[in-house]
Amino acid sequence: GEDVEQSLFLSVREGDSSVINCTYTDSSSTYLYWYKQEPGAGLQLLTYIFSNMDMKQDQRLTVLLNKKDKHLSLRIADTQTGDSAIYFCAECPSGGSYIPTFGRGTSLIVHP
Amino acid sequence: NAGVTQTPKFQVLKTGQSMTLQCAQDMNHNSMYWYRQDPGMGLRLIYYSASEGTTDKGEVPNGYNVSRLNKREFSLRLESAAPSQTSVYFCASSEGGGFQPQHFGDGTRLSIL
Repeated sequence: GEDVEQSLFLSVREGDSSVINCTYTDSSSTYLYWYKQEPGAGLQLLTYIFSNMDMKQDQRLTVLLNKKDKHLSLRIADTQTGDSAIYFCAECPSGGSYIPTFGRGTSLIVHP
Repeated sequence: NAGVTQTPKFQVLKTGQSMTLQCAQDMNHNSMYWYRQDPGMGLRLIYYSASEGTTDKGEVPNGYNVSRLNKREFSLRLESAAPSQTSVYFCASSEGGGFQPQHFGDGTRLSIL
């Protein structure tokens, strides 16, 4: 079955870049997502990438995909205190039930 | 522009009580989901409904029942609440099929004493 692994915590200084890592196991073509959860709220989709892509950039966010190692990363440039949140990686097979598998989430703490 | 609405936002129950968590979406989505979120455990799927009229078990269905009342509404029922069901419950919806990300409600924080 699918499994998605993330480190649980990351602490960075304001203005630095943050890199949140994720590994997945599904060998079929898949969609990979990054969600952000702010305190007291639900998850919001940040960005996504399909498994035949290597990179996607969207303003301060860069997603890198290493298909060989099944490794996904989310880079946040110029990290701000408002970026403090839990970030979830999720994968979803492109066929079948379309039920995503979520990682446990990485708590990003941005300090001045 | 409500998206996914969950009620109630907070609830305290005693062991053995029953209650229903309500979820409604206004995006005309086909698929709806119920998750629970516990510290350090991420999101675990309880039940989902791929389309109106169908429901299926997820990873942790024991102690829960669901009803897909219509295309908009998907409720989660705890028949006899247990302290192990203390959690934050999230409802989500999606178009279903292909690249279709999920849209989440803000959650119901449930404590069972």
